[in-house]
Amino acid sequence: AQSVTQPDIHITVSEGASLELRCNYSYGATPYLFWYVQSPGQGLQLLLKYFSGDTLVQGIKGFEAEFKRSQSSFNLRKPSVHWSDAAEYFCAVGARGGGNKLTFGTGTQLKVEL
Amino acid sequence: DAGITQSPRYKITETGRQVTLMCHQTWSHSYMFWYRQDLGHGLRLIYYSAAADITDKGEVSDGYVVSRSKTENFPLTLESATRSQTSVYFCASSGSGNPQETQYFGPGTRLLVL
Repeated sequence: AQSVTQPDIHITVSEGASLELRCNYSYGATPYLFWYVQSPGQGLQLLLKYFSGDTLVQGIKGFEAEFKRSQSSFNLRKPSVHWSDAAEYFCAVGARGGGNKLTFGTGTQLKVEL
Repeated sequence: DAGITQSPRYKITETGRQVTLMCHQTWSHSYMFWYRQDLGHGLRLIYYSAAADITDKGEVSDGYVVSRSKTENFPLTLESATRSQTSVYFCASSGSGNPQETQYFGPGTRLLVL
């Protein structure tokens, strides 16, 4: 069965600073990988996804993520964080042939200091 | 374009009572999902449905029942609520079981079981 680890429960960055959120996955084949964002009191919104091909994927709101098979990682990055990026971020993995069932990590809460 | 809605948004109930959480989507998506979100666990799949009258258990289905008589609705019932079912519940839908399909999430229902 697949699993996802997000090692950082909380991260605080200053506005304008760069951001990297870590995600490690466990899956026997090439996984489907996702990053979702959850603003306070809201549902989840898809930021970006990876299935195959170029290992650097671009998403919405200026986010990008890089798939590294050798490290089983799919870290989320943003060059310059805005105060509105404060939210909880979830990494998720989907299995091929799994009926679009996702396994989520425990989330990383991002705080942005002004 | 209403998208995916959940009702009620907030619910307080007592141990032993039956509670039904509603989920409605307007896209005619074939797949629908129920997740619960708890601190330290992220989102965990309770049940999913591939189409009307086709449902299957997820990771944490004990104590929950679902039905899907119409494509657009996917109610989740707690037959006899317990305090451990205090959580935030999210419904999601996707156009197919292909993992490349984006899952769209509702705003969530916050349930408190006293």
